[in-house]
Amino acid sequence: NAGVTQTPKFRVLKTGQSMTLLCAQDMNHEYMYWYRQDPGMGLRLIHYSVGEGTTAKGEVPDGYNVSRLKKQNFLLGLESAAPSQTSVYFCASSPILADTQYFGPGTRLTVL
Amino acid sequence: AQSVTQLDSQVPVFEEAPVELRCNYSSSVSVYLFWYVQYPNQGLQLLLKYLSGSTLVKGINGFEAEFNKSQTSFHLRKPSVHISDTAEYFCAVSDTGGFKTIFGAGTRLFVKA
Repeated sequence: NAGVTQTPKFRVLKTGQSMTLLCAQDMNHEYMYWYRQDPGMGLRLIHYSVGEGTTAKGEVPDGYNVSRLKKQNFLLGLESAAPSQTSVYFCASSPILADTQYFGPGTRLTVL
Repeated sequence: AQSVTQLDSQVPVFEEAPVELRCNYSSSVSVYLFWYVQYPNQGLQLLLKYLSGSTLVKGINGFEAEFNKSQTSFHLRKPSVHISDTAEYFCAVSDTGGFKTIFGAGTRLFVKA
């Protein structure tokens, strides 16, 4: 039981490049989330999903897109990366609405 | 709208001393409350949570927190800290019928020998 895994762990992009972050969970959780963590700002919700095939916007969705084609996977895409998207990105999943979230180890992204 | 305020950004403390990390929240609806811990270069993991029932909640590693509805607070305490407790601690709130959890900005606990 690996829990929540994230790929890649580190990435450096140039402005304007695109990339996809992959999150996978093996706990059969319905709910999945993408957050970004910036110093002094805690975690901010980017997008979330309440089940396979569904996605919704969080607090800071601009510049990001997501897809949840399979229950166990939640992808976060950056179509045209900007330096303001330099951050640490965390994926999380939860079995029950509003209850405990289980986090992945994070992806550290730098946009030059 | 909900919000979470962690009143201290950094808390330095000597080993074996007690510590309290403060958290206040605002919400117009019933809430669930959480404390998560993040060790360096890792994801967050649950320390403890309040869903209902007893207002004193015990968590892992000797931590506990008390839900105070009248003061809208959920302060985290430990009677005697260890070097290994050095980490960042996040308070979080979610409304009982909602999809989103709001996190505080975090408190960095630094335990000194």
